[in-house]
Amino acid sequence: ETGVTQSPTHLIKTRGQQVTLRCSSQSGHNTVSWYQQALGQGPQFIFQYYREEENGRGNFPPRFSGLQFPNYSSELNVNALELDDSALYLCASSSPQREWVSGGYTFGSGTRLTVV
Amino acid sequence: AQTVTQSQPEMSVQEAETVTLSCTYDTSESNYYLFWYKQPPSRQMILVIRQEAYKQQNATENRFSVNFQKAAKSFSLKISDSQLGDTAMYFCALINTNAGKSTFGDGTTLTVKP
Repeated sequence: ETGVTQSPTHLIKTRGQQVTLRCSSQSGHNTVSWYQQALGQGPQFIFQYYREEENGRGNFPPRFSGLQFPNYSSELNVNALELDDSALYLCASSSPQREWVSGGYTFGSGTRLTVV
Repeated sequence: AQTVTQSQPEMSVQEAETVTLSCTYDTSESNYYLFWYKQPPSRQMILVIRQEAYKQQNATENRFSVNFQKAAKSFSLKISDSQLGDTAMYFCALINTNAGKSTFGDGTTLTVKP
């Protein structure tokens, strides 16, 4: 059983640009959540996807958007990057949907995004 | 709104000793789960222990146990026989069963000293 894979591991972007981060869920997992973790802070919930539909969203502006594909891989897109978007972005997958509530997450190692 | 507060930014413990990490939370929901996650320098979050809010019995996982005080909204983690590999950042988290929203604390950096 493979784990959760995120790509790229590190990324540097310029303010105002757009970025796409990718997450390959663990085999059989149909639920994926994305988190933003600023340096020295805990992860902040961005949104969750279940069977290709958004299933919950945290307090993030619309320029943070996502997709989940039929194979349950996922993307996080951020438009009009700001300096404060610099953070570690974590993806976590689980299946079936209720398992994530009971803690059946598998986290990836994250993408470190730096906005300059 | 739900909040999770970890009041100890950093802690240290001697190898083989016991340490307790504190966590308090607030939620208006009655159905929720509480978790402790470990994040080593590799960055990958690892589930340490979970507690279902409707269960009064404190969860235990080998050397890890919790003290869950629902009325006080407190959820502390006790690590017994600390090992060097326990050195990591520890996060307390709450998941609202109904809304599916998860909230993490800001973490406690634990250092186990030889």
